[in-house]
Amino acid sequence: DQQVKQNSPSLSVQEGRISILNCDYTNSMFDYFLWYKKYPAEGPTFLISISSIKDKNEDGRFTVFLNKSAKHLSLHIVPSQPGDSAVYFCAASVDSGAGSYQLTFGKGTKLSVIP
Amino acid sequence: NAGVMQNPRHLVRRRGQEARLRCSPMKGHSHVYWYRQLPEEGLKFMVYLQKENIIDESGMPKERFSAEFPKEGPSILRIQQVVRGDSAAYFCASSQSRGSNYGYTFGSGTRLTVV
Repeated sequence: DQQVKQNSPSLSVQEGRISILNCDYTNSMFDYFLWYKKYPAEGPTFLISISSIKDKNEDGRFTVFLNKSAKHLSLHIVPSQPGDSAVYFCAASVDSGAGSYQLTFGKGTKLSVIP
Repeated sequence: NAGVMQNPRHLVRRRGQEARLRCSPMKGHSHVYWYRQLPEEGLKFMVYLQKENIIDESGMPKERFSAEFPKEGPSILRIQQVVRGDSAAYFCASSQSRGSNYGYTFGSGTRLTVV
């Protein structure tokens, strides 16, 4: 039962162009959505988040869009740079009711930015 | 300005042995989370602890796994009688407060290999 899905295992983009990473979810109780970036042999690094009451959040080259009716979010990176090459994880949080905000992760999308 | 420190980075255990994974949260963080990443999967929540308390262990396997976060010292994830299926990357994260809205800070992980 995968509540957060990233259907594209990989994505290749030319340097300078836009990268669009997609994520779908099934649990309407999720209240925050987050994107993490992960390099090999390192832990995930927080990139950007968005509240379920918003539809867009922007931070420099990174913008996250949320479409609640479609249960879909996307991360846009403009312009893409070779250093952006990494695995990107979509995650969603919900109060578990047991006192914690658990993160539910997708399986990740490997982004390759070609110089 | 140390981040979340995990050790060891790599751990090899024979089936039936015990594995002890350590996590020192960021300075000033009193909330610790453990996540596990199996090969080709996203990270999955295991347990959430505050100092001397387990708050949410809903993601922990019922047997062989335990976690603690003592008043002094690092948080420990302990796996008794390891099996091949325990081979994974184990990530610890910490935060200042309970909510995950701004993203946890993850450590670099411990890669456990059971032979």
